[in-house]
Amino acid sequence: QKEVEQNSGPLSVPEGAIASLNCTYSDRGSQSFFWYRQYSGKSPELIMSIYSNGDKEDGRFTAQLNKASQYVSLLIRDSQPSDSATYLCAVTLSGGSYIPTFGRGTSLIVHP
Amino acid sequence: SQTIHQWPATLVQPVGSPLSLECTVEGTSNPNLYWYRQAAGRGLQLLFYSVGIGQISSEVPQNLSASRPQDRQFILSSKKLLLSDSGFYLCAWSVVGASNQPQHFGDGTRLSIL
Repeated sequence: QKEVEQNSGPLSVPEGAIASLNCTYSDRGSQSFFWYRQYSGKSPELIMSIYSNGDKEDGRFTAQLNKASQYVSLLIRDSQPSDSATYLCAVTLSGGSYIPTFGRGTSLIVHP
Repeated sequence: SQTIHQWPATLVQPVGSPLSLECTVEGTSNPNLYWYRQAAGRGLQLLFYSVGIGQISSEVPQNLSASRPQDRQFILSSKKLLLSDSGFYLCAWSVVGASNQPQHFGDGTRLSIL
């Protein structure tokens, strides 16, 4: 059974710090990886996609993928209180099901 | 650009009443469509998905059903709601046949059963 694991948190960081969110997955055939941000009471919003080993940067966000170790991370630089949300990791197999498996999310709190 | 619409935003229903939630997608053709439920403080639970008109796959046996009467319309229904049906219902779409494309979610419907 495919599993995607995330620490539920909350992860608390001060404003301006780097927040590091981690996700591990069980299926070695996983090929596509997504990070979603979900504010309380709102729907998930896609913030990053990553498909190859290494880092991918988009503004203050950096996704890091290590397929050998089966983990994907999201770094948020210069964290702001507006980054306080739950971050969901989603993983999809290639060539097979296009339906991603979601982790249960990590709650991030950025305090002033 | 593609947009997804979901309504209503909130709904309060008595136990045993029927349910109909609607979702439509604009700006794309033949999308994959999904219904998820998210209970309070819990993860996303996939309920149904559809790869085309009239094609519905159910992930969880329950008193809910889904239909896709048109290419970009997805409906979630129930004949008799249970207390356990309370939750946040999310519709999502993705590009058909492409596992490297993410899902995009609607704004959701918060359903409370009394």
